[in-house]
Amino acid sequence: DVKVTQSSRYLVKRTGEKVFLECVQDMDHENMFWYRQDPGLGLRLIYFSYDVKMKEKGDIPEGYSVSREKKERFSLILESASTNQTSMYLCASSSGTGGMGGELFFGEGSRLTVL
Amino acid sequence: AQSVTQLGSHVSVSEGALVLLRCNYSSSVPPYLFWYVQYPNQGLQLLLKYTSAATLVKGINGFEAEFKKSETSFHLTKPSAHMSDAAEYFCAVTRYSSASKIIFGSGTRLSIRP
Repeated sequence: DVKVTQSSRYLVKRTGEKVFLECVQDMDHENMFWYRQDPGLGLRLIYFSYDVKMKEKGDIPEGYSVSREKKERFSLILESASTNQTSMYLCASSSGTGGMGGELFFGEGSRLTVL
Repeated sequence: AQSVTQLGSHVSVSEGALVLLRCNYSSSVPPYLFWYVQYPNQGLQLLLKYTSAATLVKGINGFEAEFKKSETSFHLTKPSAHMSDAAEYFCAVTRYSSASKIIFGSGTRLSIRP
């Protein structure tokens, strides 16, 4: 069974803290994504990566960075967490042809609360 | 530019009734269209997708959707709702080869009344 695993389901952090969200996929997919999900706004793309050490900004990259040192792992980093980054974060992966009608495989999400 | 609009942030139907979740898209070229479902406390999973083959697409769990170019719509239906269908449903569109260009709608929460 295919799997995208996010390391933390629930996190509570304080303003200004550095936050790491980890994601691992076991499908040998080239593409990995970080989305943010907020009520009424659907999913918004933060960053994606199409290969090891490669990354591109999505629609809302401000305040975030990413790291992809190995094909199976994609990390989202909040350098200095702020309260407006309280949200659900979803990691996803897809094969190299993911955009040609291909499927995104999602993790279960990490709900981050910044106090 | 491409966009997707889901009409109704919350839909409630009785068990056994027809489910209809509405999605309209905007795209200057033929799009790829998707419906994803998110069950409580889970990530999203693909229900079905349209990729320019048959206009009536059948998905998992008895759901289907029809691509109507003249109406720029891709509504999701199920003839008879089940309690287990309670979830949030997202319509998504892309016309690009890269999955990074997939645009998601704002979602519709489906509730099922006993």
